[in-house]
Amino acid sequence: DAGVIQSPRHEVTEMGQEVTLRCKPISGHNSLFWYRQTMMRGLELLIYFNNNVPIDDSGMPEDRFSAKMPNASFSTLKIQPSEPRDSAVYFCASSFGLRSVHNSPLHFGNGTRLTVT
Amino acid sequence: KQEVTQIPAALSVPEGENLVLNCSFTDSAIYNLQWFRQDPGKGLTSLLLIQSSQREQTSGRLNASLDKSSGRSTLYIAASQPGDSATYLCAVKETNAGKSTFGDGTTLTVKP
Repeated sequence: DAGVIQSPRHEVTEMGQEVTLRCKPISGHNSLFWYRQTMMRGLELLIYFNNNVPIDDSGMPEDRFSAKMPNASFSTLKIQPSEPRDSAVYFCASSFGLRSVHNSPLHFGNGTRLTVT
Repeated sequence: KQEVTQIPAALSVPEGENLVLNCSFTDSAIYNLQWFRQDPGKGLTSLLLIQSSQREQTSGRLNASLDKSSGRSTLYIAASQPGDSATYLCAVKETNAGKSTFGDGTTLTVKP
């Protein structure tokens, strides 16, 4: 299995621009999570989906952030307009959930390092 | 709201030492607890997962224990090596399909 795939690996953009981060979860996983990691705040959960439905978006910092999961194999996290304080590493993770009888370990992608200047 | 704390924040040991990393959580109603390793500039790699009904899990030189009633987990690393240097994070999952709450991690340095 290829694991959780995120793109791009690095993104550098100017303040005010739109940023779109992409994630492909592990095939068969039905839970998807978006995390943000910074030195100051550590790893923060932004939003998670079960069966493509957003369950908890209380971690999304502002209305500038939005996330979608149009199908089981793809999700996007969009920031519009971006600001310098959005600079961080954004991780996508997936796992089995709900009807699964498995242990539900969380699998992470390699992250997208976002720099907003 | 679940809170996860890891102590110490940083640890430096000479090669060959056995060591213990600690993780505590405030709400004992958990589904599982997972230990991760993160190398600088990299993603998180899963090390061990303990279900709420289990007491410990072992993988090679790693042993993780869980005491749900006291809200604690430990990660024991035997015969540490310089390659073990990394940040170790624990994450507590509230339900099978729920979210995981992470600690801030312990940064381990193993000196040759």
